[in-house]
Amino acid sequence: DAGVIQSPRHEVTEMGQEVTLRCKPISGHNSLFWYRQTMMRGLELLIYFNNNVPIDDSGMPEDRFSAKMPNASFSTLKIQPSEPRDSAVYFCASRTGAGNTIYFGEGSWLTVV
Amino acid sequence: AQTVTQSQPEMSVQEAETVTLSCTYDTSESDYYLFWYKQPPSRQMILVIRQEAYKQQNATENRFSVNFQKAAKSFSLKISDSQLGDAAMYFCAYRISYNNNDMRFGAGTRLTVKP
Repeated sequence: DAGVIQSPRHEVTEMGQEVTLRCKPISGHNSLFWYRQTMMRGLELLIYFNNNVPIDDSGMPEDRFSAKMPNASFSTLKIQPSEPRDSAVYFCASRTGAGNTIYFGEGSWLTVV
Repeated sequence: AQTVTQSQPEMSVQEAETVTLSCTYDTSESDYYLFWYKQPPSRQMILVIRQEAYKQQNATENRFSVNFQKAAKSFSLKISDSQLGDAAMYFCAYRISYNNNDMRFGAGTRLTVKP
């Protein structure tokens, strides 16, 4: 039973480069979430989708961040241009229906140098 | 605003002993969900246990159980017969049930298990 699948697991990139993180939610789940985890700020919700539609992107730090969900089985989080302060672990999570548990992926470790 | 507070940044327990991790939350809602997640060094977030606020009975999952005190807005996690594999960061989380919204996480408690 496949869980939430994220790629890449690790990425090191230079400042100014574009970074794209990918997520495949659990099949049948209709809500998808992007979280960021840092030592300073803990776990923060960046954006979530319901039925492929972005519902709340108030957590997206700035215009350099964008997220898309072109279909029910795929989402991307893009950072362009990347900055060192974007270094964090980015989690994708999915859920089916309101009230059910959110399942997290293994996270994507991003280091911007 | 809903907030989740974990007052213990670090905890330590001897293998086979019992440890309790604390969590308090602030909300004006009456219907909500509470969760404990475990994050091992691999960084994966693993659901440990969940509690619906309308249920008076404390949730239990094998060696993991909670003490849910709704009036006190307290949701502690008890780990019995601690194992080396229990060593991880533990996050308490809160979510309003009616709102298709995000979960609020506490800052986490790092649990060390001593052999």
